[in-house]
Amino acid sequence: DSGVTQTPKHLITATGQRVTLRCSPRSGDLSVYWYQQSLDQGLQFLIQYYNGEERAKGNILERFSAQQFPDLHSELNLSSLELGDSALYFCASAGQAAYEQYFGPGTRLTVT
Amino acid sequence: AQSVTQLGSHVSVSEGALVLLRCNYSSSVPPYLFWYVQYPNQGLQLLLKYTTGATLVKGINGFEAEFKKSETSFHLTKPSAHMSDAAEYFCAVSGANQAGTALIFGKGTTLSVSS
Repeated sequence: DSGVTQTPKHLITATGQRVTLRCSPRSGDLSVYWYQQSLDQGLQFLIQYYNGEERAKGNILERFSAQQFPDLHSELNLSSLELGDSALYFCASAGQAAYEQYFGPGTRLTVT
Repeated sequence: AQSVTQLGSHVSVSEGALVLLRCNYSSSVPPYLFWYVQYPNQGLQLLLKYTTGATLVKGINGFEAEFKKSETSFHLTKPSAHMSDAAEYFCAVSGANQAGTALIFGKGTTLSVSS
């Protein structure tokens, strides 16, 4: 158990819909990263937050957004969903050693 | 820019045999290198990391990796495979804080272990 929690574990929704994925980092970790894992693209970095502020952006679509709240939990919002958005979405957190990331169990999103 | 290439999408070994998973990286800054393991329907678990210092790093479950700057490689080895090692393994690179800490992953290598 990494100490990072993600909810929900599974999510099934229809094209065009909007969903919110939630991540709670390990106690004391200020950085939260979001990654997408799909069969065709592999594991890709989406976005990083540090203590409530956006720190870095990767291959995140404009239809996707994220935020980190004062209690340090983070949410990833996916809108206007397409079939190709079906993937595993991982959250990772890091502390002082920002490069040492601990991953949550992931949320499996299925868009039908 | 940084990138990772994992040679071989699938490696099969017998129980007790040497495990060798290959990883080559490209980085314009001194790299931090990682190996993660993913068991079915689970998240990624950090096996080992190289940041600075000793180039041979030891990780969990008997795995180790050696950073070879001249070969831009960070291959993962284990002297004797166990059935429980069957999983997918990902090599990743990142920079130090100032260069960005997001992980860039390779496409993964699935390790199968037969009895």
